[in-house]
Amino acid sequence: EAAVTQSPRNKVTVTGGNVTLSCRQTNSHNYMYWYRQDTGHGLRLIHYSYGAGNLQIGDVPDGYKATRTTQEDFFLLLELASPSQTSLYFCASSDQGAETLYFGSGTRLTVL
Amino acid sequence: GEKVEQHESTLSVREGDSAVINCTYTDTASSYFPWYKQEAGKSLHFVIDIRSNVDRKQSQRLIVLLDKKAKRFSLHITATQPEDSAIYFCAASMNTNTGKLTFGDGTVLTVKP
Repeated sequence: EAAVTQSPRNKVTVTGGNVTLSCRQTNSHNYMYWYRQDTGHGLRLIHYSYGAGNLQIGDVPDGYKATRTTQEDFFLLLELASPSQTSLYFCASSDQGAETLYFGSGTRLTVL
Repeated sequence: GEKVEQHESTLSVREGDSAVINCTYTDTASSYFPWYKQEAGKSLHFVIDIRSNVDRKQSQRLIVLLDKKAKRFSLHITATQPEDSAIYFCAASMNTNTGKLTFGDGTVLTVKP
């Protein structure tokens, strides 16, 4: 089973704060993704990546940056956090594009 | 871009009955349709998928049907069990190589004993 590890599990910050969410996968998958999950909106794609140094814009990218530093590591950056970014964030990876995504356990972010 | 609508936000069935969750998509170019399951307090995991070159796929108690003309696909869970209780998400992709997957809003399935 593919392993995707997210950290932290929970994070509380204040409006205007700077937050970095981390994701690591140890399966040599090329594709990695950041989604947010909100009640009534399902999962929405923020950013994704085909490999180290590659970044693609998802459907709800405003207010987020991402960096793929290595094959294993994908970071989501909120430089000026806002309460609208309070959400459950999932990282995922896959070997074959959109086929069979493996999800991490999620990071619950609260912006006060 | 692609939009996926999941028609049932909640669904309740009796154990042993069948459950059906319906989704529609907007882009005729979509060709790959997976389903994911999220159990309470847990992450999502892949359960079954279907590609546009077939209209039916079965894996044990799960059946996926695809109607390309209507741009509709559905998940049928037969002989439901309490452990089937979860949130089910449908999704669609135009090109699996791009990696981009658009999800529906999810259906909360409750299987009552």
